[in-house]
This record gives sequence, C-alpha cells and structure tokens, in this order.
Amino acid sequence: DAGVTQSPTHLIKTRGQQVTLRCSPISGHKSVSWYQQVLGQGPQFIFQYYEKEERGRGNFPDRFSARQFPNYSSELNVNALLLGDSALYLCASSLDSSEQFFGPGTRLTVL
Amino acid sequence: AQRVTQPEKLLSVFKGAPVELKCNYSYSGSPELFWYVQYSRQRLQLLLRHISRESIKGFTADLNKGETSFHLKKPFAQEEDSAMYYCALRGLTGGGNKLTFGTGTQLKVEL
Repeated sequence: DAGVTQSPTHLIKTRGQQVTLRCSPISGHKSVSWYQQVLGQGPQFIFQYYEKEERGRGNFPDRFSARQFPNYSSELNVNALLLGDSALYLCASSLDSSEQFFGPGTRLTVL
Repeated sequence: AQRVTQPEKLLSVFKGAPVELKCNYSYSGSPELFWYVQYSRQRLQLLLRHISRESIKGFTADLNKGETSFHLKKPFAQEEDSAMYYCALRGLTGGGNKLTFGTGTQLKVEL
C-alpha cells in the first residue's frame, strides 16, 4: 500500500478561480480529514468525513466544501480563491477515531 | 475552544545533549495528546500518543493535566532527530477526529 495519496502535487491558480483537490485513503480506512497548512503554521482542520458523511467542520468559510465517495476517496473544493488560500493542503485517513495517516499534500499557489 | 501552544520555533542542541520540546494545551474536556514529526522531504507522521505511553526512537512524553502540558523529551539527541515537531490535541468530548496542532518546533541537532 502506497499510503495516502493526493493529487495534484502542485497547483497554481488565479484569484476568483475554483480548485478541486483529491485524496485516496489507505485501503480499509473509512475516515478522511482535510487540513490546511499555511507556511510557518501547523495544520489547521477543515473537514472530516466518515462513511461519506460529514463528521466535523473547522472554522473555514462556505467557499470550502468536500465530499467522500463510496470508495472512501475524497475531494476538497475551494471556490472564489483568495490569495490567502495559498497553502499546503493535507489529507489524512484513519480507520475511525484512531491514528491519522497523512498524505504528502497538495501545494496550492493563488496568484 | 481548544488550543495548542509550542513556544519555541527553533531549538538547537548538540548531539548527545538532552532535548525537551515544550507543548502546552487548552481544552475544557478530556484531551488526547500527540506528537507528530516531519523529517525533511517526508510526510507528517505520528511519533507518539499519550495513551500508549510508549517510548518511540528514545522519545517520551508525559501528559501533565495539572500544568496542561505534554512536553517531548529525549535524554541524548541524535543527528537523525533533526526535524519539525508538532504537538497536537484531539478532544475526546464529541470532537470527532479533529486534530488541533501547535505551530511546530524545528529541532536542529548539531555535531
């Protein structure tokens, strides 16, 4: 198992555009969480999904949305991008409320 | 609200010297505390969690509820310990799988 995978690795967008980030969890893991890591800061929780249902939401605007598919993969969508959305977006998977395994992240740059 | 504070951005020690990375937290319920580590060019990975009470790679951390601290310690630093260390908290009271991270401490072990 390659562990948690994320795509794309890097992404450059302009203000106002929309972006979709993808995450494939470790096989057998039903929970996926998304985090935003701004340079110089620790990861900040955005969403958790478990069995395709939202289990938790962090303090992010409605421009951020996510979903989980029947195969437990997940997408994070961000609309109307702002310069401040530039960050590393991390996906983590877990069996349930157990150890979270992180992916390598997607580096988003908004110009 | 839950908060994790890591007061040091950078900690530099000599090889063989003791290491202590500080972590303080704020949470009104029962917390679960973790230390995550990120080595250069690698993904974020779990180092240890307080409930397991293990020693991983010579590191230990004790949860002190009175001082609301979870400091990471190692008696003799090794060059391979150089990395970014994040303290994280998960609330056990309806917190789902949300992790709240500190801002991280960069540990540099010098020869």
